[in-house]
Amino acid sequence: AQKITQTQPGMFVQEKEAVTLDCTYDTSDPSYGLFWYKQPSSGEMIFLIYQGSYDQQNATEGRYSLNFQKARKSANLVISASQLGDSAMYFCAMRETHSSASKIIFGSGTRLSIRP
Amino acid sequence: EPEVTQTPSHQVTQMGQEVILRCVPISNHLYFYWYRQILGQKVEFLVSFYNNEISEKSEIFDDQFSVERPDGSNFTLKIRSTKLEDSAMYFCASTGSNTEAFFGQGTRLTVV
Repeated sequence: AQKITQTQPGMFVQEKEAVTLDCTYDTSDPSYGLFWYKQPSSGEMIFLIYQGSYDQQNATEGRYSLNFQKARKSANLVISASQLGDSAMYFCAMRETHSSASKIIFGSGTRLSIRP
Repeated sequence: EPEVTQTPSHQVTQMGQEVILRCVPISNHLYFYWYRQILGQKVEFLVSFYNNEISEKSEIFDDQFSVERPDGSNFTLKIRSTKLEDSAMYFCASTGSNTEAFFGQGTRLTVV
């Protein structure tokens, strides 16, 4: 069965520093995708970045990058040059892609707080 | 940029009443989902929907819940007889491929 684990319930980081949010996963499907979402206090779920299991390169989107280590089954999110607006809940999620209708499952989230 | 739209953003209902939560997925997407997030907790899968039928549902999605795509654009979640524990944020999501999954802004349901 697929599983996502986020071991950091909360993190505090100084503005402008880089931050790494940890995520490990488990699946027996060789084909899967990994997502990161940001949930600010307003509640919406904002898609940040995607990594496919067969992608050769780590995904990057602006200040976000995904440190994908397939052998270790980890997919950590790196935010460079953090900003006050990055304060939010961050969810790692996974989807087995043997079927396009496959559900996405979520980790428990990490609450990131950026200090000025 | 295309987006998933949910209405209403907030709904307060009395216990035992029926509620319908509405979603307009991204227009060329084919797969639709409902998720639930009880305050401060994990995001939980409820149901997935494709080709006008349920693809998969979780244990949470019991007989009190139903989904429908009544026309070409809307995707609805109905809760037949709400309970206090149904109070949560409900998210609709749609996907067009394996590499993207977009969520709506959520409907905050409060059952009193």
